[in-house]
Amino acid sequence: EDQVTQSPEALRLQEGESSSLNCSYTVSGLRGLFWYRQDPGKGPEFLFTLYSAGEEKEKERLKATLTKKESFLHITAPKPEDSATYLCAGEGEGDKLIFGTGTRLQVFP
Amino acid sequence: SAVISQKPSRDICQRGTSLTIQCQVDSQVTMMFWYRQQPGQSLTLIATANQGSEATYESGFVIDKFPISRPNLTFSTLTVSNMSPEDSSIYLCSVGPGFNYGYTFGSGTRLTVV
Repeated sequence: EDQVTQSPEALRLQEGESSSLNCSYTVSGLRGLFWYRQDPGKGPEFLFTLYSAGEEKEKERLKATLTKKESFLHITAPKPEDSATYLCAGEGEGDKLIFGTGTRLQVFP
Repeated sequence: SAVISQKPSRDICQRGTSLTIQCQVDSQVTMMFWYRQQPGQSLTLIATANQGSEATYESGFVIDKFPISRPNLTFSTLTVSNMSPEDSSIYLCSVGPGFNYGYTFGSGTRLTVV
């Protein structure tokens, strides 16, 4: 059965304290690995799509990487405005997204 | 990327009643997706809606409970029927994937059934 698991469930960081979020996946015929940011009361906001092992993508303080079994979202020198829930999803057959339960990130000054 | 307008943003409903959620997209799209996000849970796909054909439902979801309409390439509705407190969730519509912007989501409908 297709599955996506994210860890940790919650993460508290001091402003400027870099860290990584993990996404482990078992998705048949993986076509893409997606990262989203979700703020309270809003829909998920697209961050990255990764398609093959070894691929990396960056956007401001965020960098996403992909291996054959997991993906990491690295956050460098985070700021309070980076506080949000980060969701990972694998796209399997039939254009279906299988989501993890997310990592709730809090960055405090 | 596509822009999705979803409404209502929230509602409180009596058990046994039905609620229809609307999603309007600012461009024509082939597929629209409906998700449910229960408190503390991941997003779960309810169904995929293609214009001109019946929606395809995922395991655990049935048309009688979640009827979907897709009258044209920019609009879809999801109805939550005969609601119970267990239906209290956030419901989201989505379109995509698009080049360089993945799947786009609406802002969600927070439903509380009392």
